[in-house]
Amino acid sequence: AQSVTQLDSQVPVFEEAPVELRCNYSSSVSVYLFWYVQYPNQGLQLLLKYLSGSTLVKGINGFEAEFNKSQTSFHLRKPSVHISDTAEYFCAVSSYNQGGKLIFGQGTELSVKP
Amino acid sequence: DAGVTQSPTHLIKTRGQHVTLRCSPISGHKSVSWYQQVLGQGPQFIFQYYEKEERGRGNFPDRFSARQFPNYSSELNVNALLLGDSALYLCASSLVEGLGYNEQFFGPGTRLTVL
Repeated sequence: AQSVTQLDSQVPVFEEAPVELRCNYSSSVSVYLFWYVQYPNQGLQLLLKYLSGSTLVKGINGFEAEFNKSQTSFHLRKPSVHISDTAEYFCAVSSYNQGGKLIFGQGTELSVKP
Repeated sequence: DAGVTQSPTHLIKTRGQHVTLRCSPISGHKSVSWYQQVLGQGPQFIFQYYEKEERGRGNFPDRFSARQFPNYSSELNVNALLLGDSALYLCASSLVEGLGYNEQFFGPGTRLTVL
């Protein structure tokens, strides 16, 4: 069975500071990894995904993530955050034989303060 | 182009009632998945449909059912509602049958409140 653990439920940070949102996964097969963002009262928007190849993945809005197979991690980073980055962030995993099933973590609430 | 649309946006029901939620995928997308997001938690997979056939089912009771129509739109039905069914129900579509790596595009969700 696959699972995802987001290590921080809330991350407060000041504007223009760097941020890292941590995600660890568990799986017995090769995985695909995703980060989604959810703004208040909205659905999920894909930030970035790792399917294969380069372990450093760049996404939208200046976010990037690094796949670390030995650590089974897929941490999300941004060098300088803006107020508009305040949202809930979800890490998710799937695999080839799981079809359309995404397994999500519990979410990390990023709060950017001026 | 329109994204994934869901209706209604909000719904209030009482325990024991039945509810039907609707989803229209992005034009050209043939796969639809449903997720339940309870407040404060990540989304949980309920169903995936492709070409009108169920291709995946999560750990939900038989009170939950779904179907996909020839135009690829989908309905999620929940019978005998319980207080614990209160959640945001998200629909996601993808271009082809879900193979794990296909990007899923999410709709805004339907907020269901059960009193």
